[in-house]
Amino acid sequence: DQQVKQNSPSLSVQEGRISILNCDYTNSMFDYFLWYKKYPAEGPTFLISISSIKDKNEDGRFTVFLNKSAKHLSLHIVPSQPGDSAVYFCAAILNYGGSQGNLIFGKGTKLSVKP
Amino acid sequence: EPEVTQTPSHQVTQMGQEVILRCVPISNHLYFYWYRQILGQKVEFLVSFYNNEISEKSEIFDDQFSVERPDGSNFTLKIRSTKLEDSAMYFCASSEETRVGNEQFFGPGTRLTVL
Repeated sequence: DQQVKQNSPSLSVQEGRISILNCDYTNSMFDYFLWYKKYPAEGPTFLISISSIKDKNEDGRFTVFLNKSAKHLSLHIVPSQPGDSAVYFCAAILNYGGSQGNLIFGKGTKLSVKP
Repeated sequence: EPEVTQTPSHQVTQMGQEVILRCVPISNHLYFYWYRQILGQKVEFLVSFYNNEISEKSEIFDDQFSVERPDGSNFTLKIRSTKLEDSAMYFCASSEETRVGNEQFFGPGTRLTVL
């Protein structure tokens, strides 16, 4: 039961260009979304988040867009840098009233930024 | 910068043996989590813990699993009788609170290999 889907297992981008990572979800009760980045042999690291009442959140080179009607979010990295090469996980939190905030993850997209 | 630590980094055990995975959450955090990632699959929630008791658990967290906070700093995951399918990366995470959007900080993980 994939409630959070990342349909692209990998993405390759040239340094300096935009990276766009996509995520779809099925559960309309999700009300908070997060992106985590993971390097090999490390745990996931929080990157950026967005509440379901917003459609955009920006933090430096990273912007997350949320389209609730399409149940779709995307992470934009501009400009992409070789150090951004990692696996990116989309995660969601259920409506807080019924959850202690455990994260529901997608399978991840491996981003490779080539110099 | 404070971080979540986990020991050991790699644990090899025989099927049927008990294992204890250890975590030291960030000191002022109150909410603790265990997640696991089977090779090639997504990160999955196992259990959340607050105020010395389980807050929420997934269907993966059956009677073979238990968690404990034996002292003021450690948070452990015990698997009573390991199975081959328990082989995975186990991540501990902690957060200051579960207010929606409060990020969870992950440890580097313990790779459990069950032979």
